[in-house]
Order: sequence, then structure tokens, then C-alpha cells
Amino acid sequence: DQQVKQNSPSLSVQEGRISILNCDYTNSMFDYFLWYKKYPAEGPTFLISISSIKDKNEDGRFTVFLNKSAKHLSLHIVPSQPGDSAVYSCAASAGGTSYGKLTFGQGTILTVHP
Amino acid sequence: DGGITQSPKYLFRKEGQNVTLSCEQNLNHDAMYWYRQDPGQGLRLIYYSQIVNDFQKGDIAEGYSVSREKKESFPLTVTSAQKNPTAFYLCASRGIYNSPLHFGNGTRLTVT
Repeated sequence: DQQVKQNSPSLSVQEGRISILNCDYTNSMFDYFLWYKKYPAEGPTFLISISSIKDKNEDGRFTVFLNKSAKHLSLHIVPSQPGDSAVYSCAASAGGTSYGKLTFGQGTILTVHP
Repeated sequence: DGGITQSPKYLFRKEGQNVTLSCEQNLNHDAMYWYRQDPGQGLRLIYYSQIVNDFQKGDIAEGYSVSREKKESFPLTVTSAQKNPTAFYLCASRGIYNSPLHFGNGTRLTVT
């Protein structure tokens, strides 16, 4: 039973345009969500997070949106740059001491073309 | 320069042998985690430890064992009981409450 799903295995965008990566979850106990970025042969790097008490969190070119009623979150990258090309994984956790126990999606490969 | 060191980067073993993956962190983090990645799947939690000398099973602990004798170290042993040990293994740590996980660069284990 996959509790966090990223239904798009890949996404290709032109440099300067917006990249939108999507993630759906099923567990209503999840209340903290994160996005990680991963380059080949490296470990994931934390990108941005959002708590369930918010519906938007912004950090520079990266914005995460959370729609709790739809159990959906998305990551917007504006403007996209070739260096953003990587695998993006969303992750979720329930509250309390479980914050480190993350459930990950399968990842979406983002390719940004110059 | 603080971080998480996983060694070796690539590891090859024969079926039936136990193998231990190393994970060391100098971030002074209390909590440490082991995740496994397989093609087309998200990371899955194997074991985690929130404090020295204590650890808990994650979602896929069968066939694995861990120890946490020091704050900086959280080695993972893949035993011969693990049916599909070939995978990419990632170690992570976390500092204060609600801070994100920091990951090492992983060990790719191949068992033939």
C-alpha cells in the first residue's frame, strides 16, 4: 500500500519556465511534508518543507503548496534552471517523535533543457 | 565540514554472507536512520535510532540488524536472511525536533 505517490515518473521543461512536480498521499495522519532533490550517485538533499497548518511555503525559486482536502502537494520551481535537473522526491511524516520516519514517493525525474 | 559518511560506496558479496554497512556522522545528531532504495520505489525505512543504545524496527527490518553503541555511528548488517539484499542503502540523521533528515551518499550493495 503506497501511502505517498508521485504519478509522473518524469518531467521535461524549458529553462526559464515553471516546473510543477506533484505528489498525492493517502494517510490522513501525515502532517509534515518535505521535498528532497537527488543527483545520481548522491544522497537526497533537503529542499523545502511544509507543515499541515500551512497551505504554502516559499523559499526563493521553490514554493510548496499543500491541499489537505485533496491530500495533494506540489512543488513549483520558477524559473527552472538546467542545474535543477535531478530526481525530486516528496516525503511525509506523522506527528510527534515520528517526524524522522518519513514515507517517500517514488520520485520524479526533472530535466530542464537550456 | 559536518556530514554523514557512508562506506564503502560500492560493496559486492556472495549470497549467504553477512555484510556490514558503515555510517558515521559528525553532526552531533541524536537520531539516525537506515533507508533502502529499489528501482521505481520510494525510500523505505529499515531501522532507526533516536538515542544511543536504543533502536526500533522500521517498515522492512526483516533480515537486517543494527547497533548504536556510539552517537556518531549506526552500522547496518545485512544478514543472509534478507531475501533481496541487492539495493542502494542510505543512512540519515536528524538533529532537533522537526528538523529535516540529512542523508549520506549511500552504499550500493550487490549480492550474487
